[in-house]
Amino acid sequence: NAGVTQTPKFQVLKTGQSMTLQCAQDMNHNSMYWYRQDPGMGLRLIYYSASEGTTDKGEVPNGYNVSRLNKREFSLRLESAAPSQTSVYFCASREGAGLHQPQHFGDGTRLSIL
Amino acid sequence: AQSVTQPDIHITVSEGASLELRCNYSYGATPYLFWYVQSPGQGLQLLLKYFSGDTLVQGIKGFEAEFKRSQSSFNLRKPSVHWSDAAEYFCAVGARGGGSNYKLTFGKGTLLTVNP
Repeated sequence: NAGVTQTPKFQVLKTGQSMTLQCAQDMNHNSMYWYRQDPGMGLRLIYYSASEGTTDKGEVPNGYNVSRLNKREFSLRLESAAPSQTSVYFCASREGAGLHQPQHFGDGTRLSIL
Repeated sequence: AQSVTQPDIHITVSEGASLELRCNYSYGATPYLFWYVQSPGQGLQLLLKYFSGDTLVQGIKGFEAEFKRSQSSFNLRKPSVHWSDAAEYFCAVGARGGGSNYKLTFGKGTLLTVNP
C-alpha cells in the first residue's frame, strides 16, 4: 500500500551537477504533479502531467524538465543545479483531472545544492 | 488568477483549547477549497474539501471548516486540540488550469504549536 513513492529522500549536490528525482504511484492515477516547498512560500507547482504522454508547465518551471515515463512514473530533472533550487520537492498524483478527486502526496525529496 | 492567504504564520495553543486557522481566497468563480496537514518530514494529507452544498464540512481527525462566500473565507476549526495536531496546515484553492485539468494553489501555511 505504497501510494506515491519518491526517491531519493535526501540528496546533496554541487552547483552545476545534474539530478533526476523519481516518482512512482501505484494507484493507477492519470494526473501527476511536481511541487517545490520553500519556507514561508507554501507549495508551488513546477510541472504537471494531466495524463500519460502529456506534460505542462506550472508556476515555477525554469531550470527543470520532466518526463512522464509511463502511467506510473513521473520524473523531475535538474540539468544544472543551482543553489536557488535547494528545496523540498513533492510529487503528487490524482485519479483524474477533476478536483473532486484528492491529490495524494509522497513524503518528499530534500535537496540541498552547495 | 486564484490566490490563497493564510494570515497567521504561526499559532500556539494549549492542549484542549479550541482552534481556528484562517484562510482567505481570491477566485472569480465558485471555488474548490481544501485544507491539508503536513507533519514534520511527511507529505501533505487531505483534511477536508469543499465543492458545493453545505457550507460546513467535516473532515478527518475531528476538524471542520466553514465556507463563507461573503467573506471569501474557509476557516479551519477544531473544538479541542490534541498534542498530535501540531503540524503545518495549508489551505488551497482549485481552479481550472490548462485544458480541462484543475490545479491547486496553496497558501503559505500556518504552523501550529500545541503546548501541554
